[in-house]
Amino acid sequence: GAGVSQSPRYKVAKRGQDVALRCDPISGHVSLFWYQQALGQGPEFLTYFQNEAQLDKSGLPSDRFFAERPEGSVSTLKIQRTQQEDSAVYLCASSFLSYEQFFGPGTRLTVL
Amino acid sequence: GESVGLHLPTLSVQEGDNSIINCAYSNSASDYFIWYKQESGKGPQFIIDIRSNMDKRQGQRVTVLLNKTVKHLSLQIAATQPGDSAVYFCAENTGTASKLTFGTGTRLQVTL
Repeated sequence: GAGVSQSPRYKVAKRGQDVALRCDPISGHVSLFWYQQALGQGPEFLTYFQNEAQLDKSGLPSDRFFAERPEGSVSTLKIQRTQQEDSAVYLCASSFLSYEQFFGPGTRLTVL
Repeated sequence: GESVGLHLPTLSVQEGDNSIINCAYSNSASDYFIWYKQESGKGPQFIIDIRSNMDKRQGQRVTVLLNKTVKHLSLQIAATQPGDSAVYFCAENTGTASKLTFGTGTRLQVTL
């Protein structure tokens, strides 16, 4: 079956631009997570959804970061007024009420 | 493609040897631990997990050991193969719908 997919795979933005990153979780997976992975580091938690409800957004680094999952399936992570420090790989993971999280390939964001 | 873990600790082993990758975790309340493998340009891939009520679990060519007393986790890979070359992360969480907290990662290089 299909795994978690993310688009675009690569995104280059000029500083100050807004970007939107998409995640398509595994069908039927209730839980959806976003992580940020800086070069040379492990992924760091950003936010978590259970169905359409955003239950934890404690990892979002600033109010420029916003995530939504309006129908409890596809999720979008939006970053407004991008800064160079936002450059990273953004990973999406989904799970079905279990410990195991399945990760997508990530979107590499480069802010110039 | 981009590299994962440019500045991570590196373990270099010969093909056919056994590998041991170590990880120290931080939260004594964590009750679930996972090892992930991450190749360049890809998301983390599940290898093996272990619950806190166990101290050892074996999979195919891999074994995870958990020492709760010193909050230490290790991944043993038997008969290491070139395809095992990647960055390995340990991760911990405290519930079925909670965020994963990742360790810093170790790059495994398999030499022929």
